Parts: sequence; C-alpha cells; structure tokens
Amino acid sequence: LAKTTQPISMDSYEGQEVNITCSHNNIATNDYITWYQQFPSQGPRFIIQGYKTKVTNEVASLFIPADRKSSTLSLPRVSLSDTAVYYCLVVQGGGLTGGGNKLTFGTGTQLKVEL
Amino acid sequence: IAGITQAPTSQILAAGRRMTLRCTQDMRHNAMYWYRQDLGLGLRLIHYSNTAGTTGKGEVPDGYSVSRANTDDFPLTLASAVPSQTSVYFCASSVTGGGNEQFFGPGTRLTVL
Repeated sequence: LAKTTQPISMDSYEGQEVNITCSHNNIATNDYITWYQQFPSQGPRFIIQGYKTKVTNEVASLFIPADRKSSTLSLPRVSLSDTAVYYCLVVQGGGLTGGGNKLTFGTGTQLKVEL
Repeated sequence: IAGITQAPTSQILAAGRRMTLRCTQDMRHNAMYWYRQDLGLGLRLIHYSNTAGTTGKGEVPDGYSVSRANTDDFPLTLASAVPSQTSVYFCASSVTGGGNEQFFGPGTRLTVL
C-alpha cells in the first residue's frame, strides 16, 4: 500500500486557514485518501475521505490533484480546539473483502493553534 | 448510544501474566480492529476482523490473539505479557472492511512491568 509523507508539525493562529499536505507517490487506482484527527488521550476521529478533485464537508476540505500523488487537507478558520494530530492515510477501496488489514497510520502532523 | 467501549481504561500488569482487553460496539458494524499506539510510531494495526467468525493479522500480530464470536465483541488477549507490549491500545469498528470510516474507542493504557 502507498506510503504517505506529511510534515511532522505545523503552527498556526486562531482564525487562519491551515493547509496540511500529504504526499503518496505510489497510490493505486482503487485507493482512497482519508484523513483522521486525534486529540490527546482519545482515539482518532474520521475527518474526510476523497478519491479525486475536491471534497468538502462541515469540518474540512480535501484537495486532490489529477495525478493523485498528493493531497491537501484544508481547515478553514482554525481555533484552539483544532490543536491535534492529523493523519493522512491511503486506504484500499472495496467492500467486505477489501483492505481492512491494510489501514496504515503514520506518525501524523501535530498542529498547534495559538491565540 | 455508546458507540465503542473498551475496558479496562488502564492496567498495570506483571510480565508473564495473561491479559484480555475488552472491546464492545453497539453499531452493528461488521468490521473491527485493534491498534497499538506508541510514541513516535503512530498507530499500528495488530489484528482485524471483517465479519463475525473471521479474523486476520495486521502489521504487528505477534504476542496477541483475537476472537470474534459475535458482531459486537472483539477481545484482544496477551497470552504472556512482555514489557514491549506497554502501549495504548485502541479498538475500532467500521460498517465494512476496506477502508470505510473507522470509529475508535477511548483506548486502554497498558503498562507491563
């Protein structure tokens, strides 16, 4: 499965837009890009998933260029409560026989938001 | 709705002892997972189950076993704990396997002395 590379840490201020980029050069045709968020002492929480172009939900946007070798998670107008670790994952698409054994979390990006 | 519960919240265990970490979900999800999280290594998949009655090995299965007798429960057993198994353990579930959104439990902090 495609390995992902993302920055170890990022700093921002309240009200700014934060963009976290992830590279996944070896992504396969049926792979999806998924982002999770983890607060201290909690389990990760799903944020967004996409295959190509742009996906937006109430929390974030995910931008995926045509070659799909990278993706960018965009958090609009961050607040202190967005301080967390953000994980970029490449997951194999599919149903019951899909890649449940292939979900790989890296070390993530530690985002720190200050006043 | 509780989602996923894990027990115990934390445990200190002597090396060589047997320990079972419990995980229960009430969402009727088919797939369940066990991860361990260690500083600097992120989360690593230990075992998974795509549906009741089936299990599979993840990235770091050695020293751990699982069973999936029904849809709701997915216990993780350490037959003879070793200090390197000191970690935070997370259970997760998803509607199906294959990369669907995973819902995580609150975690169990295990210390093996």
